[in-house]
Amino acid sequence: NAGVTQTPKFQVLKTGQSMTLQCAQDMNHEYMSWYRQDPGMGLRLIHYSVGAGITDQGEVPNGYNVSRSTTEDFPLRLLSAAPSQTSVYFCASSPPPGAGRTHEQYFGPGTRLTVT
Amino acid sequence: EDKVVQSPLSLVVHEGDTVTLNCSYEVTNFRSLLWYKQEKKAPTFLFMLTSSGIEKKSGRLSSILDKKELSSILNITATQTGDSAIYLCAVGWSYQLIWGAGTKLIIKP
Repeated sequence: NAGVTQTPKFQVLKTGQSMTLQCAQDMNHEYMSWYRQDPGMGLRLIHYSVGAGITDQGEVPNGYNVSRSTTEDFPLRLLSAAPSQTSVYFCASSPPPGAGRTHEQYFGPGTRLTVT
Repeated sequence: EDKVVQSPLSLVVHEGDTVTLNCSYEVTNFRSLLWYKQEKKAPTFLFMLTSSGIEKKSGRLSSILDKKELSSILNITATQTGDSAIYLCAVGWSYQLIWGAGTKLIIKP
């Protein structure tokens, strides 16, 4: 049981490049989300998904796309990287409703992205 | 606008001291309040408090939810250098969490 995995761990991009951050979980969690974490600002929600085929925007969605074709995978795409997207990105998943632990999120190890 | 505010933003104490971290919230449709510990990597879950479980304890850590004051405290007794971390508070509504900025706790030997 690997939990939540993310790749890559580190990435440097030039302005305008695109890339995909990968996230996978093997806990059969329906809810998955992507956050970015910047110094002094806590975690900000980018996009989330409540199940395969269903995604929605969070607090800071501009410049990012997501898709959820399977329960396990939830990739985050940066369409045209900008220096303002330099951050640490975390993927998280939660148990399904009814378990009483819907808000108990499990985090991946993070991806540190630098855009120059 | 929903918000979660943590205080203090940073705190430096000596090993063995007791610390109290604060979290206040203004969130419509409050469902739960969670505490996480973040060392160098990803946040790890500590406690979840709800209307039906307003007090939790695990070893030297304990937390209380005050629904009247819309706040929570996280207490750490007999602190150790391994307690040095950022402590994050989050409030749950629907599927989502709203996060505070965190309290950076440094324990000096």
